[in-house]
Amino acid sequence: DAKTTQPPSMDCAEGRAANLPCNHSTISGNEYVYWYRQIHSQGPQYIIHGLKNNETNEMASLIITEDRKSSTLILPHATLRDTAVYYCIVPQLYNFNKFYFGSGTKLNVKP
Amino acid sequence: GAGVSQSPSNKVTEKGKDVELRCDPISGHTALYWYRQSLGQGLEFLIYFQGNSAPDKSGLPSDRFSAERTGGSVSTLTIQRTQQEDSAVYLCASSPTTSGNYEQYFGPGTRLTVT
Repeated sequence: DAKTTQPPSMDCAEGRAANLPCNHSTISGNEYVYWYRQIHSQGPQYIIHGLKNNETNEMASLIITEDRKSSTLILPHATLRDTAVYYCIVPQLYNFNKFYFGSGTKLNVKP
Repeated sequence: GAGVSQSPSNKVTEKGKDVELRCDPISGHTALYWYRQSLGQGLEFLIYFQGNSAPDKSGLPSDRFSAERTGGSVSTLTIQRTQQEDSAVYLCASSPTTSGNYEQYFGPGTRLTVT
């Protein structure tokens, strides 16, 4: 996988937007950016993915910079249930079976 | 619809015993993955099945680990002669693998404790 770099932890106040950054400076032209999260004692959960354009779904928004070297996952109104480890993954285009989850960012949503 | 299911949810076994962990993927998903996660660590890829192709076993840590996927659906991960370092949560995921779609849907995991 293209190497991704994420901060180890972040805090966010409940009800505020959580902005989680990810650097992927070695990303190739057709490699997607995927975001997953893992709530304590559960399996990882898919959140969103994108290639070039910004994406939005019911869970989050994904903003990818024009040069695609970094992205930001946005949870618009964080709740306590959003406390989790968030993983940014860029699987290799022709080796996509091997997701490398890395250490991720531990998001702590506080009341 | 039904998600990925795994059984058992917890397994305690004695060192040296064999264990079998089961995964039922989402119906119609062609790809199936096994990972393991040791306490406080990230996910470690173990093995990958895609349709009827030969599995990618490159992540299996030793020859004590093996996996099968029967009929392109249910999968069993077998660990022979378990060791204490095998203690971990074993996670299964499945994916539709349509063009450009690498979404993996995870099961709840099996927590294996080797005493």
